[in-house]
Amino acid sequence: RKEVEQDPGPFNVPEGATVAFNCTYSNSASQSFFWYRQDCRKEPKLLMSVYSSGNEDGRFTAQLNRASQYISLLIRDSKLSDSATYLCVVAAGEGAQKLVFGQGTRLTINP
Amino acid sequence: DVKVTQSSRYLVKRTGEKVFLECVQDMDHENMFWYRQDPGLGLRLIYFSYDVKMKEKGDIPEGYSVSREKKERFSLILESASTNQTSMYLCASSLGLGKLFFGSGTQLSVL
Repeated sequence: RKEVEQDPGPFNVPEGATVAFNCTYSNSASQSFFWYRQDCRKEPKLLMSVYSSGNEDGRFTAQLNRASQYISLLIRDSKLSDSATYLCVVAAGEGAQKLVFGQGTRLTINP
Repeated sequence: DVKVTQSSRYLVKRTGEKVFLECVQDMDHENMFWYRQDPGLGLRLIYFSYDVKMKEKGDIPEGYSVSREKKERFSLILESASTNQTSMYLCASSLGLGKLFFGSGTQLSVL
């Protein structure tokens, strides 16, 4: 079983729609969680950290469910510019030095 | 802004060659990482370093070595390149807490 699993998609949704995807992790000792975004042929960039109580950043909401060992990302009012691959990232241990990446979920927003 | 620079965007090498991939960061970060990214497999950690002359194996260190003689520079070495090392190589630096800054990547083809 992979340490971090994501549905690879692709997800194709119309502009303005709400889209959500989940990510599951296998290591119950995992301490820190993140979503990264990777545009086509570009490097990954940090989108947001995921906090225990859930957190929002504009149109993006991240949630953590420790009991079921999954994190989620919700995008409201999706824009064409949201088209990208979203990578779920999990760190174990203090300092979050060693990160494990999911394979990513590809999202395409259609006009 | 943090800048992580990888020496080559594209590289073509022959089987058996020794290959050096260079990475330089300008933000005085303690931690530096080398990942490879392959379709369907996501990013996998090869090696990381949390200080000068310090290194730790990641998940797939076989066939690779690293060097960190100066804080700003982290080199990945393929001792004897093989075709299964054809991949996108991504260098990253970090202050910790899971926030990585990536270089733009080196697409290595081993023929």
